[in-house]
Amino acid sequence: DVKVTQSSRYLVKRTGEKVFLECVQDMDHENMFWYRQDPGLGLRLIYFSYDVKMKEKGDIPEGYSVSREKKERFSLILESASTNQTSMYLCASSLPSGHTDTQYFGPGTRLTVL
Amino acid sequence: SQKIEQNSEALNIQEGKTATLTCNYTNYSPAYLQWYRQDPGRGPVFLLLIRENEKEKRKERLKVTFDTTLKQSLFHITASQPADSATYLCALGPGGGNKLTFGTGTQLKVEL
Repeated sequence: DVKVTQSSRYLVKRTGEKVFLECVQDMDHENMFWYRQDPGLGLRLIYFSYDVKMKEKGDIPEGYSVSREKKERFSLILESASTNQTSMYLCASSLPSGHTDTQYFGPGTRLTVL
Repeated sequence: SQKIEQNSEALNIQEGKTATLTCNYTNYSPAYLQWYRQDPGRGPVFLLLIRENEKEKRKERLKVTFDTTLKQSLFHITASQPADSATYLCALGPGGGNKLTFGTGTQLKVEL
């Protein structure tokens, strides 16, 4: 059974803190994605990676960075958390282009920045 | 710019009826369209994929249509059940690097 796990379900941080969100997939997928989801705005892509050490900016990369040192792990970093980064963060993985392109999502991390 | 529209208002229907959800898009020529289900506090789960050369796809009680002329997909759940209550997202692809573009979703509530 395919599985994408995220390090925390709920996280509370203070403004200015450095925040790490971890995502691990056990499906040997090449592609991994980080989204944030806000009411009325839907899923917005922050960053994605199609290979180890490769990354591409999504639609809203400002204030975020990512790291992919191993194929199964994709980390999202908030360098200096701000209150407008309070959101639900979702990680996903998929096979390379040309396959089914289905994305498999983790359970999400609800981050609150105070 | 690319735009995907799903009805932002919740759809309330009675158990046993057919639910029909709509996904419209503009400024996009997708090769395929996907539908996902999302329960509160959880990540989306893939349901169905339909390609641009397919008119209709079925899976158990689910049916998806794809009209590239109208730039619209319809998602049907027949014999709906309270357990079908969730938010349903449509997604178009591919973008570069196997990206998908998601709609904002429509909440479905199936009442007894």
